[in-house]
Amino acid sequence: DGGITQSPKYLFRKEGQNVTLSCEQNLNHDAMYWYRQDPGQGLRLIYYSQIVNDFQKGDIAEGYSVSREKKESFPLTVTSAQKNPTAFYLCASSIRGGAGANVLTFGAGSRLTVL
Amino acid sequence: GQNIDQPTEMTATEGAIVQINCTYQTSGFNGLFWYQQHAGEAPTFLSYNVLDGLEEKGRFSSFLSRSKGYSYLLLKELQMKDSASYLCAVMDSNYQLIWGAGTKLIIKP
Repeated sequence: DGGITQSPKYLFRKEGQNVTLSCEQNLNHDAMYWYRQDPGQGLRLIYYSQIVNDFQKGDIAEGYSVSREKKESFPLTVTSAQKNPTAFYLCASSIRGGAGANVLTFGAGSRLTVL
Repeated sequence: GQNIDQPTEMTATEGAIVQINCTYQTSGFNGLFWYQQHAGEAPTFLSYNVLDGLEEKGRFSSFLSRSKGYSYLLLKELQMKDSASYLCAVMDSNYQLIWGAGTKLIIKP
């Protein structure tokens, strides 16, 4: 079955450490996204990519980095520069970016807790 | 600024009907989406509206009024499995999604 796989599901990190969250899709989608979800707030876009080897910053990119070396993969690194990294992170993909009924397919999420 | 408003929480009875409202103020409009998210899980797509009117899909319907900046999601014949958060999102003039904080729907027997 096609879908998006995120790993790990739960991750604990000490302050000052970088961590990388994995996101893999086998839907042959061009566009991929990383969102952060905090209680009482809407999803906030961290980074997105519409094509391999290209990505753009979202609304809250500071303290995060990404790469898009393969169409299927869009890993997110949470660096020590991110001041409040404890959150639920969602990866998503869509057939393409931009206009239209651009339906997102989400992964099951990764919950990061900083100790 | 851009803003999406939804009620934080609603309670309804199994078998009944519930309407979840969403009002928005965005820079342009290129469509409105509803997603369902069970606790700790991935959001899943429910509906998309870009023109005014009602879109019906089984037990779920979604309505849009662009002039009023208003949408609602109507859930009929509620089942216990409908207990979830319902997220409203609007695509703005830059084709970016602006998300509401979600409405937690609690279904009681």
